[in-house]
Amino acid sequence: GQSLEQPSEVTAVEGAIVQINCTYQTSGFYGLSWYQQHDGGAPTFLSYNALDGLEETGRFSSFLSRSDSYGYLLLQELQMKDSASYFCAVRDRNTDKLIFGTGTRLQVFP
Amino acid sequence: DTGVSQDPRHKITKRGQNVTFRCDPISEHNRLYWYRQTLGQGPEFLTYFQNEAQLEKSRLLSDRFSAERPKGSFSTLEIQRTEQGDSAMYLCASSLGWSDGGLGYTFGSGTRLTVV
Repeated sequence: GQSLEQPSEVTAVEGAIVQINCTYQTSGFYGLSWYQQHDGGAPTFLSYNALDGLEETGRFSSFLSRSDSYGYLLLQELQMKDSASYFCAVRDRNTDKLIFGTGTRLQVFP
Repeated sequence: DTGVSQDPRHKITKRGQNVTFRCDPISEHNRLYWYRQTLGQGPEFLTYFQNEAQLEKSRLLSDRFSAERPKGSFSTLEIQRTEQGDSAMYLCASSLGWSDGGLGYTFGSGTRLTVV
């Protein structure tokens, strides 16, 4: 089976940089994804790492190391609107279904 | 295309009643997924379809739950004899499958079910 662990909560101030870690135990997957979810909203796709290394998309970057069973989402130049829950997820190798992590609630303060 | 639509947005029902939710995916997406999310948790996989074929069902999906995608377009999720433990947000998502180049799922806004 698969399990993905994340810190439950992270706090930061506007303009800062924050890193949200994801450690996983999984028996085969294609890539690590990250989703953002505002309270009451739908999860929205942020980033996907098919290979080890860093992927950059604007203020957001995501990293994957398969050898360490570890990934992270880096958010730079934090804005108040970044306050949300963030989920890492792996795509099952056989079925393409996403298995989500426990989620990290990010609170950005002025 | 306006994305993935789910109906209703909210549903309050009495324990023991049956409820049905509808999901309209992005038209060109052949894969459709149902997830359940409770407060403070990540979405949990329930079932998925490739076109009209239901390919996998989670152990979370008891025999009171049934899902269909009759023509490979919209899907319905029915819960019979609802229980208070069924209270959750039910999310639908669609994707192109492996050909999406890692673009990921597109989720609907969900149906929030409250069983009283």
